[in-house]
Amino acid sequence: QKEVEQNSGPLSVPEGAIASLNCTYSDRVSQSFFWYRQYSGKSPELIMSIYSNGDKEDGRFTAQLNKASQYVSLLIRDSQPSDSATYLCAVTLYSSASKIIFGSGTRLSIRP
Amino acid sequence: EPEVTQTPSHQVTQMGQEVILRCVPISNHLYFYWYRQILGQKVEFLVSFYNNEISEKSEIFDDQFSVERPDGSNFTLKIRSTKLEDSAMYFCASSEVTSGSPVEQFFGPGTRLTVL
Repeated sequence: QKEVEQNSGPLSVPEGAIASLNCTYSDRVSQSFFWYRQYSGKSPELIMSIYSNGDKEDGRFTAQLNKASQYVSLLIRDSQPSDSATYLCAVTLYSSASKIIFGSGTRLSIRP
Repeated sequence: EPEVTQTPSHQVTQMGQEVILRCVPISNHLYFYWYRQILGQKVEFLVSFYNNEISEKSEIFDDQFSVERPDGSNFTLKIRSTKLEDSAMYFCASSEVTSGSPVEQFFGPGTRLTVL
């Protein structure tokens, strides 16, 4: 059973538009939620973390969490070519707070 | 800005040989982790380490793997007898000890291990 699911993409978005990335998770006792950005051949870079229902904004990024629907999303406003990367959704569980469970990632491509 | 560092960036070894991957976590962090990513696959948790002992490990982290904090700054992952399927990127991560908010883990640049 997949624990964190993401559409693999690629998701193609024009420069300056809003990119919307989605993720669902299967375990209702998931505690915290993260979005990491990973450029090809590089390590995951933390973009956002969220653990309460609702929206959390940081610059051009907004994370949205809906625990009832087991759904977390990331919005990227004013998309730039440098945002082209794979975005990894990740969760931790109450039973295992030190272990991050990653999704397979969504490839995002920003076209000029 | 403080960051996690890892050495070497690329390690090539023969099957059956032992390798040690090294990491220097962020200086005020107390939780340390190892993850791996096989080419084209998900990032997978291997082990977490706190207060000089393993706090959690995955099924992947079997007897051929061990971790150690040999001094006040380094955190190592040893693979005793490497197999072809151990070829992957190995990421070290660290986090502060926090409660009541997400425990954010910060990743190093990784070591690419190639087993021939």
